Amino acid sequence: NAGVMQNPRHLVRRRGQEARLRCSPMKGHSHVYWYRQLPEEGLKFMVYLQKENIIDESGMPKERFSAEFPKEGPSILRIQQVVRGDSAAYFCASSPGYTDTQYFGPGTRLTVL
Amino acid sequence: GQNIDQPTEMTATEGAIVQINCTYQTSGFNGLFWYQQHAGEAPTFLSYNVLDGLEEKGRFSSFLSRSKGYSYLLLKELQMKDSASYLCAVRDLSGGYNKLIFGAGTRLAVHP
Repeated sequence: NAGVMQNPRHLVRRRGQEARLRCSPMKGHSHVYWYRQLPEEGLKFMVYLQKENIIDESGMPKERFSAEFPKEGPSILRIQQVVRGDSAAYFCASSPGYTDTQYFGPGTRLTVL
Repeated sequence: GQNIDQPTEMTATEGAIVQINCTYQTSGFNGLFWYQQHAGEAPTFLSYNVLDGLEEKGRFSSFLSRSKGYSYLLLKELQMKDSASYLCAVRDLSGGYNKLIFGAGTRLAVHP
């Protein structure tokens, strides 16, 4: 059973460009969570999604950031008009139910030049 | 509010025992997790406590006291590969949904 998949693993963007990060949860998991980790810091919750629904986006900046988890395909975290402060590791986690253990993907390391 | 505190760094010797403490304040506590994270890699699940007491799993044990808002991760027979960050995370239900709140992590360096 494959684990949580994220791609790309590394992404470089120039200021003002768009970044699209993808996450495929583990088989049988319908709950997806996105976290951001700045260097030398802990993981910060961004958004929690189920298929076709955003359940909790309280940790996501109101502007430039959006997330979706369509009926078919991976979950997408989209950052528009990236700025240098968006440089971080973005981790996706999935769980079978919302009370279950979350399992993390390998992360996407975003660098904004 | 929500607050999770753990030491920033610890060092220990190969073969020894180390205890990493975590204190938390949250209004909707619904369990505590420990994750291990090697540099540049994903966090991997180590343990979960929701009731008071000690959970043992091989060389790793985790303890929880809900009344004190306190947990620790105990690592025995330390190996060089245990050098990593250890993240304490509380599951919080106060917003109506289970959400993981992470501490900043404890960087453990194991020396020969």
